[in-house]
Amino acid sequence: KAGVTQTPRYLIKTRGQQVTLSCSPISGHRSVSWYQQTPGQGLQFLFEYFSETQRNKGNFPGRFSGRQFSNSRSEMNVSTLELGDSALYLCASSPRGGVLNTEAFFGQGTRLTVV
Amino acid sequence: LAKTTQPISMDSYEGQEVNITCSHNNIATNDYITWYQQFPSQGPRFIIQGYKTKVTNEVASLFIPADRKSSTLSLPRVSLSDTAVYYCLVGDEVYNTDKLIFGTGTRLQVFP
Repeated sequence: KAGVTQTPRYLIKTRGQQVTLSCSPISGHRSVSWYQQTPGQGLQFLFEYFSETQRNKGNFPGRFSGRQFSNSRSEMNVSTLELGDSALYLCASSPRGGVLNTEAFFGQGTRLTVV
Repeated sequence: LAKTTQPISMDSYEGQEVNITCSHNNIATNDYITWYQQFPSQGPRFIIQGYKTKVTNEVASLFIPADRKSSTLSLPRVSLSDTAVYYCLVGDEVYNTDKLIFGTGTRLQVFP
């Protein structure tokens, strides 16, 4: 069965631009969680969507937003990009939510570089 | 959410057993202890989860003392392919998903 697919894998953007990242979960999974990973801060939770509704949100500014479609695919948008937004963005899918379970799987991530 | 403390890095040689300890003094009654593994340029991968005593699967063992204030991930006979970052997470996602923190993990380097 196909895993979690994130596109694109790599992205370079300029400060002030906006970016949209995509995550296709494992078939049948209704939850998609997004994480930001940087060398200094480690992996930090952004938000989680379940059945098209945002269920939880981490401590990130409003420039970070997301949505989930009826087919469970999710997109994450970052507006007015800053240099500090350069990171690996990871999404995880699971049937019922969260990542603290054996059924949660992460994608390979999208590496965003802001110049 | 319980804060965790684990060593920043560890070195080992192939064939040895590696034990990575995680401290979580403020663990709550509902919290589970979960370990993830992450290779460079890949997403984290679930390794093992436990609540108390000992849990073993085909990859690792997890030892949790009675007070649950710490836990030890044990990797038997490591190989070069076990070189990765290992994260200890403590929480209960039913109530605390927004506070889940992976932190910076323990970077394990296995030498031949």
